[in-house]
Amino acid sequence: KAGVTQTPRYLIKTRGQQVTLSCSPISGHRSVSWYQQTPGQGLQFLFEYFSETQRNKGNFPGRFSGRQFSNSRSEMNVSTLELGDSALYLCASSGTLQETQYFGPGTRLLVL
Amino acid sequence: GESVGLHLPTLSVQEGDNSIINCAYSNSASDYFIWYKQESGKGPQFIIDIRSNMDKRQGQRVTVLLNKTVKHLSLQIAATQPGDSAVYFCAGTSMEYGNKLVFGAGTILRVKS
Repeated sequence: KAGVTQTPRYLIKTRGQQVTLSCSPISGHRSVSWYQQTPGQGLQFLFEYFSETQRNKGNFPGRFSGRQFSNSRSEMNVSTLELGDSALYLCASSGTLQETQYFGPGTRLLVL
Repeated sequence: GESVGLHLPTLSVQEGDNSIINCAYSNSASDYFIWYKQESGKGPQFIIDIRSNMDKRQGQRVTVLLNKTVKHLSLQIAATQPGDSAVYFCAGTSMEYGNKLVFGAGTILRVKS
């Protein structure tokens, strides 16, 4: 079974731009969660989608949004990028509630 | 210039020794815990999990202990190998938060050959 895949792996943007990151979960998994990892804040929860519905949301500004498609693939979008948005963005998938979450390799975003 | 960020504790062990990595959690409602290993440039890799109705769970070379009274979790790695060198994170969640994982800051494990 293929693992969680994320595209692109690396991205460089400038302040004010927007970015869309993609995540394909493990086949059969319906829950997709997104996390931001930075040296200063560690791993922080962004949001979780299950069956195309946002089920939970972390404490991030409205510039961070996401969605999930009928095939469980998920995208997250960050608008009006700020320097502080530079981070590793990780996606994790699981079958359902409180099952093991498996992470993808992440997308490393650098905002200049 | 000065570096600002989380200061991760480091555990240095000799190859072949046992390692114990500790984690404290604050939410007494947390009922599901996972240990992850993260190598440089990679996403967190699942190691082992435990639910709050258990005190101990064993895997291959790893054991997780849960002490709900003092809200403490530990990961024991037997016969530590150089390939075990990584950052280790504990994470927890509770039914009220669904799949939202709250992560600890992490511990750097360095294995000396």
